[in-house]
Amino acid sequence: AQSVAQPEDQVNVAEGNPLTVKCTYSVSGNPYLFWYVQYPNRGLQFLLKYITGDNLVKGSYGFEAEFNKSQTSFHLKKPSALVSDSALYFCAVRDTNQGGKLIFGQGTELSVKP
Amino acid sequence: GAVVSQHPSWVICKSGTSVKIECRSLDFQATTMFWYRQFPKQSLMLMATSNEGSKATYEQGVEKDKFLINHASLTLSTLTVTSAHPEDSSFYICSANNRDTQYFGPGTRLTVL
Repeated sequence: AQSVAQPEDQVNVAEGNPLTVKCTYSVSGNPYLFWYVQYPNRGLQFLLKYITGDNLVKGSYGFEAEFNKSQTSFHLKKPSALVSDSALYFCAVRDTNQGGKLIFGQGTELSVKP
Repeated sequence: GAVVSQHPSWVICKSGTSVKIECRSLDFQATTMFWYRQFPKQSLMLMATSNEGSKATYEQGVEKDKFLINHASLTLSTLTVTSAHPEDSSFYICSANNRDTQYFGPGTRLTVL
């Protein structure tokens, strides 16, 4: 069965420090991987995706993610966190068996303190 | 680009009434849209896949007669919650496929009294 796991419910970092939000996946075939961010009472905003090519993907707001096939991971990173980065982050993988559907992780709440 | 809107952003209704939520892709055409439900601090639960010009595909456990989906054009899908009850209160989010990526609407907060 295809799945996505975000092992941390919450990540706390100090402003200016690097942040990492972890994601691992299990799919058959080549994965299409996505990161989204959700602010309170809002929909999800697309941050970045990996489909093919360079393993390091750069996205919106200074975020990047590294695709690691051997570890089946797609961790989200940012070199210097901002207080405004505090939000709920979702990792997702496209379900290769049912075209277009996304399988989401449970979400990680990122808290950046001044 | 790739903007998805939802209307209304919030709605309060009485138990037993029906509520319609619209999802529009503003700057692209979407043959496929998705409807999700989200409870506080939880992940998204896919309710159904909306296909332009054909019937929606519902996920297991989602009542198709209660959550009516219509995708009459390439830019509009609607979700109608029929005979709403308090347990239907939730945050409903739609998304639309543009090439390889799903773009999400801002969500609709439904409160059923």
